[in-house]
Amino acid sequence: DAKTTQPTSMDCAEGRAANLPCNHSTISGNEYVYWYRQIHSQGPQYIIHGLKNNETNEMASLIITEDRKSSTLILPHATLRDTAVYYCIAFPRAGNMLTFGGGTRLMVKP
Amino acid sequence: DVKVTQSSRYLVKRTGEKVFLECVQDMDHENMFWYRQDPGLGLRLIYFSYDVKMKEKGDIPEGYSVSREKKERFSLILESASTNQTSMYLCASRGQKGTEAFFGQGTRLTVV
Repeated sequence: DAKTTQPTSMDCAEGRAANLPCNHSTISGNEYVYWYRQIHSQGPQYIIHGLKNNETNEMASLIITEDRKSSTLILPHATLRDTAVYYCIAFPRAGNMLTFGGGTRLMVKP
Repeated sequence: DVKVTQSSRYLVKRTGEKVFLECVQDMDHENMFWYRQDPGLGLRLIYFSYDVKMKEKGDIPEGYSVSREKKERFSLILESASTNQTSMYLCASRGQKGTEAFFGQGTRLTVV
């Protein structure tokens, strides 16, 4: 599975867009980019995933660069409840090993 | 509503005890995972199982074993608990052709 690198922490003002970057320069053709988040003392929660096209759901948008070496998770209007650790991982859709890196700790401030 | 259930939310055990952490999923998923999470170290994979009675070591299997006798249940075993195994333990499951993994709420284990 491709290694991903993310900033350790980020701040965002409440109501503004939070843009969380992820580098996955060694991603292979069959690997998807997945995003999860973990709110304190809870298990991680799936947010969104994509292969090469941009994706949007009710929680977030995912922008993947054309060369697929990086991506950005966008929370369009961050709320205090979005304060969490966000994990970006890359692995095959049908893969069974699922490993996480350190993630980005997002702090949404009033 | 899909669910991954871990048997205990909090657990306190003594050094040297044999400890069982149980995880059950109701989604008929083939893949199940055990992680531990420690401050500053993120989620580290201990073991995973891709089918009944099948298992593979993750990044930190030392001091742990697992059992998968039924598809829905994946157990993590600490043969002789030690204080450095004090941690949050998270179980997850994922279908073979699925996309997202589902996590349990975690078991906070303290070994004294």
